[in-house]
Amino acid sequence: DQQVKQNSPSLSVQEGRISILNCDYTNSMFDYFLWYKKYPAEGPTFLISISSIKDKNEDGRFTVFLNKSAKHLSLHIVPSQPGDSAVYFCAASWGAQKLVFGQGTRLTINP
Amino acid sequence: NAGVTQTPKFQVLKTGQSMTLQCAQDMNHEYMSWYRQDPGMGLRLIHYSVGAGITDQGEVPNGYNVSRSTTEDFPLRLLSAAPSQTSVYFCASSYSAGHGYTFGSGTRLTVV
Repeated sequence: DQQVKQNSPSLSVQEGRISILNCDYTNSMFDYFLWYKKYPAEGPTFLISISSIKDKNEDGRFTVFLNKSAKHLSLHIVPSQPGDSAVYFCAASWGAQKLVFGQGTRLTINP
Repeated sequence: NAGVTQTPKFQVLKTGQSMTLQCAQDMNHEYMSWYRQDPGMGLRLIHYSVGAGITDQGEVPNGYNVSRSTTEDFPLRLLSAAPSQTSVYFCASSYSAGHGYTFGSGTRLTVV
């Protein structure tokens, strides 16, 4: 039972444009949502998070939006840069304990 | 500041062998977890710990054991390796699961 789902395995975006990565979840008990970025042969690195009491959080070029009624979150990257090419994972936690991940979306930024 | 250190980086096992994947962190984090990454499956939680002496199962715990005798160390034991356990294993730690976990660089395990 996949509680966190990323339905797009891959996304290709032109450099300078906006990248939008999407994530859906099923467990209404989740109280924190996070995005991670992963390069090949490395561990995932934390990018940005949002609490369930908020609907938006920004950090530089990265913005995460949370729509609790739709059980949907998205990550916006503006403007997209070649170094943003990586696999992006969304994740969710509840009760400040375990963290569960989606399947990942491979983002490719084209020059 | 080493962060999260995983050893070994690569390992080949024969079916039925046992081994321990080591994980150590030097950030005094209470929360530690083990994940496996498989193509198309994302990162799946094997076991996690919220402090020394406290562990619990994640999504895919079968075939794995853990213990947490100290805050720093969280070893993962494969009891009797099977080809289905061929994967990349990541250990992670955090001061809270609601905040960013710091991941190790992974152990690539092949079971033949």
